[in-house]
Amino acid sequence: GNSVTQMEGPVTLSEEAFLTINCTYTATGYPSLFWYVQYPGEGLQLLLKATKADDKGSNKGFEATYRKETTSFHLEKGSVQVSDSAVYFCALIRGSNYKLTFGKGTLLTVNP
Amino acid sequence: EPEVTQTPSHQVTQMGQEVILRCVPISNHLYFYWYRQILGQKVEFLVSFYNNEISEKSEIFDDQFSVERPDGSNFTLKIRSTKLEDSAMYFCASSVLQGNQPQHFGDGTRLSIL
Repeated sequence: GNSVTQMEGPVTLSEEAFLTINCTYTATGYPSLFWYVQYPGEGLQLLLKATKADDKGSNKGFEATYRKETTSFHLEKGSVQVSDSAVYFCALIRGSNYKLTFGKGTLLTVNP
Repeated sequence: EPEVTQTPSHQVTQMGQEVILRCVPISNHLYFYWYRQILGQKVEFLVSFYNNEISEKSEIFDDQFSVERPDGSNFTLKIRSTKLEDSAMYFCASSVLQGNQPQHFGDGTRLSIL
C-alpha cells in the first residue's frame, strides 16, 4: 500500500538557518504530493503541493520538488523564522480513492 | 477565507458512551472526510463521504462509527460506544473535488475517553 516516511524530529534551528525536512514515499504510479503544516493549537493547513514529476511546489518561502527517481518530496526553506515553528506533515494521494496518506510529522522549533 | 469549523474543541466522555463530533465544511465543497491522530502517531484516514453516502472507509471505521450529513451544512461523526483507544484528535476535512485537489482541514476535536 501507499506510505510516507519523513525524518524524525524534533528539529531545532536558529532564526535565518536553512531548513530541510526529508520525505520519501512508496506508491504505485504517480501520486500527488503535499506538505501540510500545523501551527500550535490549530488544524492542518495546506502548505504546498505538486502533482507530477519534477513539479516544484512553493509557498511562503518553502519549496519542495517532486522527484520520481528518488521517490522524494523534501521540504526546504532558505531562512526560517520563529513564526515557522510548527509540525510539518508530508502526505500523498494516489489511486481511485482520494484519502490522504500522511507521514508521522516533524516538529520544527525555531529559536530567535 | 472560508474555513472548516469543528465543535467541540475538546470532548471528555466516559467509556461506553456515545459521542458525536460535529463539522461544518466549506460551503461549496462536495467531498467530506474524517481523519484521526492518536497522540504521537500518524494522521490516519477514517472515512470519505460524497453525495450523501460513504465513498470509502478504512479498517478503523468499524460498526461503532457512523457519519451523517443531517442538513445542508453539518457533517457529523458518531462513535456509538466509545473505547479507551478512541482517544485521539479527530480532524474533519472537505474539498471541492476529489483527485489532487487540496483538502481543507478544521482545527480538530480532541476526544478523551475516561
